[in-house]
Amino acid sequence: AQSVAQPEDQVNVAEGNPLTVKCTYSVSGNPYLFWYVQYPNRGLQFLLKYITGDNLVKGSYGFEAEFNKSQTSFHLKKPSALVSDSALYFCAVRPYSGNTPLVFGKGTRLSVIA
Amino acid sequence: DTGVSQDPRHKITKRGQNVTFRCDPISEHNRLYWYRQTLGQGPEFLTYFQNEAQLEKSRLLSDRFSAERPKGSFSTLEIQRTEQGDSAMYLCASSLAFGQAAQPQHFGDGTRLSIL
Repeated sequence: AQSVAQPEDQVNVAEGNPLTVKCTYSVSGNPYLFWYVQYPNRGLQFLLKYITGDNLVKGSYGFEAEFNKSQTSFHLKKPSALVSDSALYFCAVRPYSGNTPLVFGKGTRLSVIA
Repeated sequence: DTGVSQDPRHKITKRGQNVTFRCDPISEHNRLYWYRQTLGQGPEFLTYFQNEAQLEKSRLLSDRFSAERPKGSFSTLEIQRTEQGDSAMYLCASSLAFGQAAQPQHFGDGTRLSIL
């Protein structure tokens, strides 16, 4: 069965500094990996996905993520954090084949301090 | 693209009552998903439809839960005889079926259920 671990419940970063939100996964076979963001009292918004190809994936709002197969990781990054990036971030995985549903991590709360 | 719409946004009810939620997916999306999210957790899969067919149900979906998508458009999720543990955010998402595993799911803003 697939699983996702987000080892940090909370990440604090100063505005303008780079940010990283960590994600590791476990899945049989090749993974499809996704990052979503959730603002208070809202649903999840899709940020980016890794399907195949380049290990560095670029997404919405200046976010990018790096797929590392040997470390089974898919960390979310942004070169310069904004206060408006403060939100809850979820990593999700599903295997390459089959109709299995997305499995989400528990989320990481990002706080960007001005 | 008007996005995924869920109604109501909030529902407060007494334990033992029945509740029904509605989800209107993005119009061209033929896959529709229901998730439950509790505080401090990520969304947990409940069930999904392709068109009007319910293709998978999670073990989380007890006999008190039923979901329908009668015409392959909107969907309803009903919870009968609600219990305290049903208090959660219920999220609906939709996606295209083509290239299904790679398709991102688009979420509505959820229905927050509170059981008194």
